[in-house]
Amino acid sequence: AQKITQTQPGMFVQEKEAVTLDCTYDTSDQSYGLFWYKQPSSGEMIFLIYQGSYDEQNATEGRYSLNFQKARKSANLVISASQLGDSAMYFCAMREGKYSGGGADGLTFGKGTHLIIQP
Amino acid sequence: GAVVSQHPSRVICKSGTSVKIECRSLDFQATTMFWYRQFPKKSLMLMATSNEGSKATYEQGVEKDKFLINHASLTLSTLTVTSAHPEDSSFYICSADDRGGITGLPDTQYFGPGTRLTVL
Repeated sequence: AQKITQTQPGMFVQEKEAVTLDCTYDTSDQSYGLFWYKQPSSGEMIFLIYQGSYDEQNATEGRYSLNFQKARKSANLVISASQLGDSAMYFCAMREGKYSGGGADGLTFGKGTHLIIQP
Repeated sequence: GAVVSQHPSRVICKSGTSVKIECRSLDFQATTMFWYRQFPKKSLMLMATSNEGSKATYEQGVEKDKFLINHASLTLSTLTVTSAHPEDSSFYICSADDRGGITGLPDTQYFGPGTRLTVL
């Protein structure tokens, strides 16, 4: 079973509209972290937002917010007031396991959503 | 803050040669770095975890003798693709864990700009 599922391969959105990118995850760990990254055509991965499994409040970072629904294992990214520069691939990712300080774990990525903002 | 660089950004080589890719954390120390591989229009797949001063941990299916990883210092990890073949052509991207030092957020990985490898 996929650990990270992004069901929207592509989305077209009008500029200035809000966008919701879906992400569901699968883990049996109690402690985990959820991330969203943006990858423009240049290829770099840009960190957008982080949500810890124990965080009670939804994470927000400027125009980005994460709609975290733990019981549904859902971590959707919401972009408010979309801009042309938001056009890119968006990846949801998860880090499982407890951060013990003795090491760190790599991320598991979803397949991504290609977001295109139209003027 | 939390800047990670990679060098080279693009490399073309002949089949059978070895290619070294460097990953550096510029403004923070990273005891752990990660190497990912991304095929066109695909997601990132974790290849290996690079730990400073110890052997790398490879994901299942990744040949450790083909993809040599050395994490010689707290700011530098290198990936060497040995005896490269056309099927090794891909986008290789590294990340470094700042352990919350830059942003205060735990477990956040910052990615380098990637290296596009083409093996002829």
